[in-house]
Amino acid sequence: GAVVSQHPSWVICKSGTSVKIECRSLDFQATTMFWYRQFPKQSLMLMATSNEGSKATYEQGVEKDKFLINHASLTLSTLTVTSAHPEDSSFYICSASGRRGNTEAFFGQGTRLTVV
Amino acid sequence: GENVEQHPSTLSVQEGDSAVIKCTYSDSASNYFPWYKQELGKGPQLIIDIRSNVGEKKDQRIAVTLNKTAKHFSLHITETQPEDSAVYFCAARGAGTALIFGKGTTLSVSS
Repeated sequence: GAVVSQHPSWVICKSGTSVKIECRSLDFQATTMFWYRQFPKQSLMLMATSNEGSKATYEQGVEKDKFLINHASLTLSTLTVTSAHPEDSSFYICSASGRRGNTEAFFGQGTRLTVV
Repeated sequence: GENVEQHPSTLSVQEGDSAVIKCTYSDSASNYFPWYKQELGKGPQLIIDIRSNVGEKKDQRIAVTLNKTAKHFSLHITETQPEDSAVYFCAARGAGTALIFGKGTTLSVSS
């Protein structure tokens, strides 16, 4: 399958700071990328969908000013957690799809964010 | 929107036995149903998928069945091995483009 690389794999930051997570599709053009959040022993919850060159569409309850998503190219999307708080600590996972939702989605390895 | 229910939440089997995980979905427009295996601290890995125009698909020890009328699909793992132990998620793609996940099943295979 296709390769999606997510960086960093883990990060620890202080409360009030911002953290950027990168998601890259290494061998295909990802017109659509998805960002999920996963708490321990729970399922993946969709946060937002981003199409290249467009503003992201956020799920209900997800603060768009707190979780900034940029999908400026066909191979890169970024998620920035702004003014992070301990409750933002979670496992963040990106997923990329080649055509607009018509192919299977490939997942990155995830980023463990810990806010102290 | 789409809602996916997954059962059971935990499943323990002996090595060599079969394991079955079941999911139901709500959106009759959903047309793509993948299954993912997730190991601790890692992202989900696609293990098998099925599209709405197919009723069954098999890949070695893993098979998936889909009943569109009843809106349910199942994962079957035969001859389970300890390395099959992981969390398994079903998902469905509804009217939108994003995958909606079930709550997961923790499979434990004891030798």
